[in-house]
Amino acid sequence: NAGVTQTPKFRVLKTGQSMTLLCAQDMNHEYMYWYRQDPGMGLRLIHYSVGEGTTAKGEVPDGYNVSRLKKQNFLLGLESAAPSQTSVYFCASFEGGPYNEQFFGPGTRLTVL
Amino acid sequence: DQQVKQNSPSLSVQEGRISILNCDYTNSMFDYFLWYKKYPAEGPTFLISISSIKDKNEDGRFTVFLNKSAKHLSLHIVPSQPGDSAVYFCAAIEAGSSNTGKLIFGQGTTLQVKP
Repeated sequence: NAGVTQTPKFRVLKTGQSMTLLCAQDMNHEYMYWYRQDPGMGLRLIHYSVGEGTTAKGEVPDGYNVSRLKKQNFLLGLESAAPSQTSVYFCASFEGGPYNEQFFGPGTRLTVL
Repeated sequence: DQQVKQNSPSLSVQEGRISILNCDYTNSMFDYFLWYKKYPAEGPTFLISISSIKDKNEDGRFTVFLNKSAKHLSLHIVPSQPGDSAVYFCAAIEAGSSNTGKLIFGQGTTLQVKP
């Protein structure tokens, strides 16, 4: 049982390049989330999904797109990377219901030059 | 507008003593609060939580206190151990958000426990 995994762990991009971050969970959770963590800012929600085929915007969605074609996977895309997107990205999943917690992946450190 | 605030970026305590991490919130609709712990190069892991119908929840060395009138919660670690050195995030969920599960996080407090 791997929990939540993220690919890749590290990436360096040049401004304007595109990339996709992959998140996978094996807990059969309905809900999945993408966050970014920046110094002094905590974790901020980018996009989330409440089930296969659904996506919704979070607090800081600009410059990102997501897709949830399969229940176990949640993809985060950057179409044209900017230095402001340099951050650590975390994926999380959640089974739903009250009094439960989100489970996080190990993170992807992205640097945009 | 930061709805969940952790005003102390860092805290240093001696091994064996108590660590107290604080969190304030502004949204009175929050009804469930969680603490996450994060080590460098790892994802956050769930530590302890509390529902708004309680004022205290205890799990081993960790206790969370909730003061709803002050919109304040705190995490107590007794006794503190060097392995507790990590970043601690406070998070809250709004009543009625069970259909999204969206968490609002504070900025985090870095705890250093000195041997």
